[in-house]
Amino acid sequence: DTGVSQDPRHKITKRGQNVTFRCDPISEHNRLYWYRQTLGQGPEFLTYFQNEAQLEKSRLLSDRFSAERPKGSFSTLEIQRTEQGDSAMYLCASSLALRAEEETQYFGPGTRLLVL
Amino acid sequence: GENVEQHPSTLSVQEGDSAVIKCTYSDSASNYFPWYKQELGKRPQLIIDIRSNVGEKKDQRIAVTLNKTAKHFSLHITETQPEDSAVYFCAAGRPMIYNQGGKLIFGQGTELSVKP
Repeated sequence: DTGVSQDPRHKITKRGQNVTFRCDPISEHNRLYWYRQTLGQGPEFLTYFQNEAQLEKSRLLSDRFSAERPKGSFSTLEIQRTEQGDSAMYLCASSLALRAEEETQYFGPGTRLLVL
Repeated sequence: GENVEQHPSTLSVQEGDSAVIKCTYSDSASNYFPWYKQELGKRPQLIIDIRSNVGEKKDQRIAVTLNKTAKHFSLHITETQPEDSAVYFCAAGRPMIYNQGGKLIFGQGTELSVKP
């Protein structure tokens, strides 16, 4: 499968625990996005990287959230001290942004997080 | 801030009928308008997109129209089939060269049900 992959697909954790999710983008895609989707809502932007540089973070991303893309390939999203309100689907998307008018984002299957 | 309003939230049609979903965006700098289809438990999949240099784009049974003056864009599905049943999301994005360019702002979604 050459699409965007995410791991794990499901995560159940207790409040206060830390969790880390991984996203592997489509090969050679230089942009990587993280979104969060709650039930019945559209995805909400969290943060994105161009290569290894994190270029924007949403105000939704509290200081308990951190994302990295150390070598410009895969990315990790860590949530520290999880809260029940963090329960959601965490989606990753990647794109090959060579020209300003030609970016298309392709989504991964998501990681569904449940905080008990 | 940026906002995308999507209507209706649910839509039920008979097989063979047409379905229309409408979106309104607030950010006048937006120039990219993709539509994603999301089946239950699966990743959002791009079905069609339009950029602001065109007013209409068609791909088989699916078409999208854009009115930049009114900040409206719509998805039209003709000859609907039961496999078209899913949640559809519209989104809007700025050009990458802009501040905060690249990220997508999504609508709330439309649950389409096509009855055989």
